[in-house]
Amino acid sequence: LAKTTQPISMDSYEGQEVNITCSHNNIATNDYITWYQQFPSQGPRFIIQGYKTKVTNEVASLFIPADRKSSTLSLPRVSLSDTAVYYCLAPIRRGSYIPTFGRGTSLIVHP
Amino acid sequence: DSGVTQTPKHLITATGQRVTLRCSPRSGDLSVYWYQQSLDQGLQFLIHYYNGEERAKGNILERFSAQQFPDLHSELNLSSLELGDSALYFCASSVALTGDTEAFFGQGTRLTVV
Repeated sequence: LAKTTQPISMDSYEGQEVNITCSHNNIATNDYITWYQQFPSQGPRFIIQGYKTKVTNEVASLFIPADRKSSTLSLPRVSLSDTAVYYCLAPIRRGSYIPTFGRGTSLIVHP
Repeated sequence: DSGVTQTPKHLITATGQRVTLRCSPRSGDLSVYWYQQSLDQGLQFLIHYYNGEERAKGNILERFSAQQFPDLHSELNLSSLELGDSALYFCASSVALTGDTEAFFGQGTRLTVV
């Protein structure tokens, strides 16, 4: 079973780039790495997913080194509305894919 | 709007009671997941259904049960409620079983047991 480790909390300021790194040392060969965002009292929301190298969408970039033992979520030019908890997911398989959440990283963006 | 509908949004009930939470997945999604989120435990996976069949169980108590109906909506039944069952309950749906598909979460049901 792949387990993820990420910082409990981070602070940043508006306009800065934020990088959140997640380690997943025993991720399986076929598994994707997925990041979700959650605001208080709301359901998590998919941000980005990747398998290797770099993936970019309109919200974030995801960097995955060749050994795939870690990944870095990059949020460009954060705003106050990016204050949320960010989860890095490594799948757990019990016959099917189960999105499994750790404690996540609480990002606070300051003015 | 994720397309996943959960009802009710809020529920207040007494200890010992039984409640039913309902989830309507996105149109076309066959997978339904249930999660419990409390302040001290984070998001805990409870149970997964795919096309009407139970596929995986997580940390689901014996007092809790779930099912997925032929129209793919799902219900989570919580019985003999305790104060510690107070939490946000989320359901999520996805189109497939594989790890390269996105899970869409509902807005949750906030259960308060008094």
